[in-house]
Amino acid sequence: QVQLQESGPGLVKPSETLSLTCTVSGYSISSGYYWGWIRQPPGKGLEWIGSIYHRGTTFYNPSLKSRVTISIDTSKNQFSLRLSSVTAADTAVYYCARDFLSSRSAATGSRRSWFDPWGQGTLVTVSS
Amino acid sequence: QSVLTQPPSASGTPGQRVTISCSGSSSNIGSNIVNWYQQLPGTAPKLLIYSDNQRPSGVPDRFSGSKSGTSASLAISGLQSEDEADYYCAAWDDSLNGHVFGTGTKVTVL
Repeated sequence: QVQLQESGPGLVKPSETLSLTCTVSGYSISSGYYWGWIRQPPGKGLEWIGSIYHRGTTFYNPSLKSRVTISIDTSKNQFSLRLSSVTAADTAVYYCARDFLSSRSAATGSRRSWFDPWGQGTLVTVSS
Repeated sequence: QSVLTQPPSASGTPGQRVTISCSGSSSNIGSNIVNWYQQLPGTAPKLLIYSDNQRPSGVPDRFSGSKSGTSASLAISGLQSEDEADYYCAAWDDSLNGHVFGTGTKVTVL
């Protein structure tokens, strides 16, 4: 089955760049789907960061867009997140997940999108 | 700053039925499918309902989803102690051109 695993530094200094990688097993990411990043500050709700298609198309959360870069490396079956100029507000558990984002249905006009499965998450603390 | 609004908490005794609401707008729930996620304490979220009312393999039929207009609901019938968790609704938002999550609802089994 498809499994995802986040990796990267657990501590980042303010103003620096947060970098995380998600390694996918059980599925070749070059075969399709979008792949996304979601975060959850301690004790708070979920916030979508962005998603990338296997061919490189990206969607970013408008509130984070100026600081976010998501890239994909199909040769390593990995995708990555970079978040620049971090502050304490960026302290969160960061999750990666497969994104079932689709184009709009001709029949219903609706866009299909859900995340499944999710990685276990990794806590990133921003502190000096 | 969540776009989708949920009640912060809901509770019930074992065996009862609990319903969680999710209120959105024409650019998200009113235009696109709704999904629900269950987050057990200390774990990653798990897909519970997709495409408004579909259950992934392995999800008990005690969980059901529905949608009407710009609102959606998750119902848990026959509440069990292992259902104690946080529940989030989510949808694509055409105005933001991105995924949006609900504020989350903590379900407590009394």
